[in-house]
Amino acid sequence: AQKVTQAQTEISVVEKEDVTLDCVYETRDTTYYLFWYKQPPSGELVFLIRRNSFDEQNEISGRYSWNFQKSTSSFNFTITASQVVDSAVYFCALLVSGTYKYIFGTGTRLKVLA
Amino acid sequence: DTAVSQTPKYLVTQMGNDKSIKCEQNLGHDTMYWYKQDSKKFLKIMFSYNNKELIINETVPNRFSPKSPDKAHLNLHINSLELGDSAVYFCASSRNRGSQGETQYFGPGTRLLVL
Repeated sequence: AQKVTQAQTEISVVEKEDVTLDCVYETRDTTYYLFWYKQPPSGELVFLIRRNSFDEQNEISGRYSWNFQKSTSSFNFTITASQVVDSAVYFCALLVSGTYKYIFGTGTRLKVLA
Repeated sequence: DTAVSQTPKYLVTQMGNDKSIKCEQNLGHDTMYWYKQDSKKFLKIMFSYNNKELIINETVPNRFSPKSPDKAHLNLHINSLELGDSAVYFCASSRNRGSQGETQYFGPGTRLLVL
């Protein structure tokens, strides 16, 4: 069975702090894909990143970075120098090749305080 | 240009009514989805269509019926609305069924409130 766990329900940080959102996934398949989405207070779901299981390179995009570690089945998301506009609910998702079903975690609410 | 659009954005209705939510994507994608997001923000897949063919049908009351007139549209009809149907409903699309890890793109959501 596939599963995504985002153990942090809510995180509060002060602006300019770094913050890491954890994502742990479960699957026995060797080919799978991982995603992060952002849901700001306005409600839309915004795609952030996609990573396949064969690419363990970390990725950096501006203040955002992602750390994929197959050894710990984790795909963590770090925001450097957080800003108020980063306040949102962040979802991690897993798609196992051939299953057609995206499995979402329960989300982590990030509050960045000015 | 909106990639995935939904109408209406807000829907307030009485218990027992029948309502529809429309979704359209202009991305040329083959697969479309409906999700329900409850008050705790949990996202649950309801249905998925690939080229007008139903490929995912989760345990959803049969009061919910999706309809896909063509691969760019996936509508959701709900009969005999109940209080528990109050939620945000998201439409999404992906280039294919997801077998190649295609990214899903979401619509803005429809906020349904059943009184």
